[in-house]
Amino acid sequence: GAVVSQHPSRVICKSGTSVKIECRSLDFQATTMFWYRQFPKQSLMLMATSNEGSKATYEQGVEKDKFLINHASLTLSTLTVTSAHPEDSSFYICSALTGAYEQYFGPGTRLTVT
Amino acid sequence: GQNIDQPTEMTATEGAIVQINCTYQTSGFNGLFWYQQHAGEAPTFLSYNVLDGLEEKGRFSSFLSRSKGYSYLLLKELQMKDSASYLCAVTDSNYQLIWGAGTKLIIKP
Repeated sequence: GAVVSQHPSRVICKSGTSVKIECRSLDFQATTMFWYRQFPKQSLMLMATSNEGSKATYEQGVEKDKFLINHASLTLSTLTVTSAHPEDSSFYICSALTGAYEQYFGPGTRLTVT
Repeated sequence: GQNIDQPTEMTATEGAIVQINCTYQTSGFNGLFWYQQHAGEAPTFLSYNVLDGLEEKGRFSSFLSRSKGYSYLLLKELQMKDSASYLCAVTDSNYQLIWGAGTKLIIKP
């Protein structure tokens, strides 16, 4: 099946620094990628929809200047958490859309901001 | 607004059968998914229903009734490794996934 990778899998950073998370579709081209975050014991929350070659569409309440998304190619989307704070600590998951409905998820990135 | 409801937690016995229900109210409908998520991991695709009826896939089956806004995931011959959270998600008219909060399934020996 289709494979989506994320890097890094875990990251610990200091408050005020920026962190970049990469999401790659390894064996297919994804014109659309989604970024989610998941707090403990909560469902996935869609942050933004990333389309190759255009600006990401952010969900209501998600700060686009804080969560920078770049979808530079058909196989790579990046999420940069700028000026991270402890409340940004979360599990960030990307998914890539292939076809009309198939979404394949990356393994997730655990971000801890100290 | 868009809403998906599923039970918060369920407990079942190894070897038994369990049914996890999901009801939804969304802006349009382009399919319903069930995902399995183990703690600390990303969700894993289990099933997809877009037409009414039952889809069987090994020990797992998923049912959909679009007129009732209702689906269930049926797990047979439960194994300890089936202990996980089961997420119901609906694709709306914009093909975005609307997620339920997940049902934590606890399997006891």
